[in-house]
Amino acid sequence: EAQVTQNPRYLITVTGKKLTVTCSQNMNHEYMSWYRQDPGLGLRQIYYSMNVEVTDKGDVPEGYKVSRKEKRNFPLILESPSPNQTSLYFCASSLERAPGTDTQYFGPGTRLTVL
Amino acid sequence: GDSVTQMEGPVTLSEEAFLTINCTYTATGYPSLFWYVQYPGEGLQLLLKATKADDKGSNKGFEATYRKETTSFHLEKGSVQVSDSAVYFCALRATGGFKTIFGAGTRLFVKA
Repeated sequence: EAQVTQNPRYLITVTGKKLTVTCSQNMNHEYMSWYRQDPGLGLRQIYYSMNVEVTDKGDVPEGYKVSRKEKRNFPLILESPSPNQTSLYFCASSLERAPGTDTQYFGPGTRLTVL
Repeated sequence: GDSVTQMEGPVTLSEEAFLTINCTYTATGYPSLFWYVQYPGEGLQLLLKATKADDKGSNKGFEATYRKETTSFHLEKGSVQVSDSAVYFCALRATGGFKTIFGAGTRLFVKA
């Protein structure tokens, strides 16, 4: 089944404790992206990747890191989480045959709480 | 910079009512426009899209027309069902661009 998977689905942690949220897709997609969803703000893009070893900042990159060492994986790293990073996080991917027009496929989401 | 503005929700309708959710955008050039839907507890999934002016996207009875002159992409459905209750997001991507801009989302409740 074609899908985007994220782990963990739920995470409660404390301020300053490094964490990684994994994202994997099995559709051989070129493009991958991370978003956070907050009430009243919709989805805001954190980072995106156009291909292996190519990443760029979205609108809210502060406090996050990413890497794209393999085409299928795009982990999101919070080196020192803070309470304002409590949010619902989504990973997405798309094929990008025609950049800018392709549908993005979303993972099920990771609900993160930072105490 | 680019932006998307959606009508605020929640929107509450009775079954079989007509639905309109307004979406307007600001962008340079000619973006592609999307409507995504999020059902409770799930990720987003594409509902429909339009990649150039005057295109009409349609799916599952929903429609939206890309209006460049009014910079709008309003979502419509002639007769909503209880199963349409969800959050609807309007989004844009600049042609050839890699950033995606989402609206704040509009929650729809449909009563039986």
